[in-house]
Amino acid sequence: GAVVSQHPSRVICKSGTSVKIECRSLDFQATTMFWYRQFPKQSLMLMATSNEGSKATYEQGVEKDKFLINHASLTLSTLTVTSAHPEDSSFYICSARARLNLGTYEQYFGPGTRLTVT
Amino acid sequence: GEDVEQSLFLSVREGDSSVINCTYTDSSSTYLYWYKQEPGAGLQLLTYIFSNMDMKQDQRLTVLLNKKDKHLSLRIADTQTGDSAIYFCAERVTGGGNKLTFGTGTQLKVEL
Repeated sequence: GAVVSQHPSRVICKSGTSVKIECRSLDFQATTMFWYRQFPKQSLMLMATSNEGSKATYEQGVEKDKFLINHASLTLSTLTVTSAHPEDSSFYICSARARLNLGTYEQYFGPGTRLTVT
Repeated sequence: GEDVEQSLFLSVREGDSSVINCTYTDSSSTYLYWYKQEPGAGLQLLTYIFSNMDMKQDQRLTVLLNKKDKHLSLRIADTQTGDSAIYFCAERVTGGGNKLTFGTGTQLKVEL
């Protein structure tokens, strides 16, 4: 089946530093990847949609200069949290869209990255 | 607009059936999904239903869709302790970049 990996699974960083999270589709090509943020005991909030080779589309209220997204290849997207602050601490989940037979698409999720900013 | 709601918590005994409910507001949804999230993990797709279907069964899982009432449910038969997790429904609507809108999540606790 389609597998999406994220690295790292958990990261602790100091306030003011930047952190990069990688999302890879391991056995399929993903023209579109999504980045979500999940607060404790809450639902997933879509942050941005990235298409390979083009700029990401950010949801309203998400600072694009703070959350830099790069989708350089069909199997890799990165999210960089710049100048991280404690309020950026959260669970970040990526998702990759795979094209199935008959022209339909399905979305597969990574295992998530727990970011803690101290 | 898009608004997907679920009850927050459900507790059942092992072996009983669980029914998790979801209501949505956007009538242009095309697919509706159920995902399972275990602690500290990402989302696992359990099943989905196309909006022109009323029911779909997949082993222990049964999805019912009442499009008139915009109500979706997931029934888990013979619930096991390994089913304890948070369950999210999600809808995909036509247009809008085919984005998924997630429900608030229902925490299912299975007791012995």
